[in-house]
Amino acid sequence: GQNIDQPTEMTATEGAIVQINCTYQTSGFNGLFWYQQHAGEAPTFLSYNVLDGLEEKGRFSSFLSRSKGYSYLLLKELQMKDSASYLCAVRLNTGFQKLVFGTGTRLLVSP
Amino acid sequence: GAVVSQHPSWVICKSGTSVKIECRSLDFQATTMFWYRQFPKQSLMLMATSNEGSKATYEQGVEKDKFLINHASLTLSTLTVTSAHPEDSSFYICSARRDSPLHFGNGTRLTVT
Repeated sequence: GQNIDQPTEMTATEGAIVQINCTYQTSGFNGLFWYQQHAGEAPTFLSYNVLDGLEEKGRFSSFLSRSKGYSYLLLKELQMKDSASYLCAVRLNTGFQKLVFGTGTRLLVSP
Repeated sequence: GAVVSQHPSWVICKSGTSVKIECRSLDFQATTMFWYRQFPKQSLMLMATSNEGSKATYEQGVEKDKFLINHASLTLSTLTVTSAHPEDSSFYICSARRDSPLHFGNGTRLTVT
């Protein structure tokens, strides 16, 4: 089976920095993705790591350690519109390279 | 702009009827599309992988006779929920890969009464 774990909920204040962790144990690995999903909407792609290290994209950064089965998404200068669910997903190295999602983290940004 | 188009956005149907959901890739060909289901406050659960020109591959526990998938062309996959029941009420989302990440349709909110 595939296990991808994230904290269920997090809260933070506008302007702050928040780190959302993701740990995974999967039967294969070919990259880790982070998506943002607002309630009732489809997920939107944020970031992607296939090698160890940090990928930075504006206010969002994502880190990966394959040996530890660990990733995090870092959100800086939080804004109210960042209140959403953040989904960690592992792409398996099967023939179809399907994407398996973690449990998701609901982030609430308060003023 | 949108990469994947899904239709309808929402549908209400009576128990026992069938509902078809369409997923189209825009401006690119997708030999593989993925269908997910999401219950309230839960994450996305992969239902099946749709393959153009061949049978879909279903995840464990997903009834292939209930959730019919047809990948008719390189830009269109359809999911038909047959003999729908209230417990099938959910948010169904399709996705296709362009370049590296998966791009998702806007989802279909299905309510079975």
